[in-house]
Amino acid sequence: DSGVTQTPKHLITATGQRVTLRCSPRSGDLSVYWYQQSLDQGLQFLIQYYNGEERAKGNILERFSAQQFPDLHSELNLSSLELGDSALYFCASSPWGRDTDTQYFGPGTRLTVL
Amino acid sequence: SQQGEEDPQALSIQEGENATMNCSYKTSINNLQWYRQNSGRGLVHLILIRSNEREKHSGRLRVTLDTSKKSSSLLITASRAADTASYFCATGAEAAGNKLTFGGGTRVLVKP
Repeated sequence: DSGVTQTPKHLITATGQRVTLRCSPRSGDLSVYWYQQSLDQGLQFLIQYYNGEERAKGNILERFSAQQFPDLHSELNLSSLELGDSALYFCASSPWGRDTDTQYFGPGTRLTVL
Repeated sequence: SQQGEEDPQALSIQEGENATMNCSYKTSINNLQWYRQNSGRGLVHLILIRSNEREKHSGRLRVTLDTSKKSSSLLITASRAADTASYFCATGAEAAGNKLTFGGGTRVLVKP
């Protein structure tokens, strides 16, 4: 158990819908990262937050947004869902968001868009 | 797009044998991490090696890093059936906020 929690574990929804994925980092970690794992694209970095502020952005679609709240939990919002958004979404956390940090991953949320 | 490429893509060995997988990457890095993923589940961190390190050990794991060749290797000694999983290398660069760029992974099957 990495100490990172993600809810829900599974999510099944329809095209065009909007969903919210939630992540609680390890106790004491200030930085949160979101990754998407799909069969065709592999594991891709989406976005990073550090202490509530956006730190880095990757291949995140405009239909997707995220935020980190004062209590350091983070949410990833996916809207106007398409079939191709079906994937495993991982959250990771690290203490300071530095290159010396290990990133600890949560169990993931499996999103299925029908 | 992925920075790293793992080789081989799949590996099948007998329990007790060693498993070696390689990772190559394209740009300068500050660190390289190896993760294990059991079928569709979460990623488990195995080891982090910094760009100024050449070799690191953790239990039955040995990781090497050659920054001149932009490559790393992961060796699992005396493999067990429980080592069956996909193994990913991931590179980090602080300039990008330490986002991790993952390779495509090596699927390892350890047969009892």
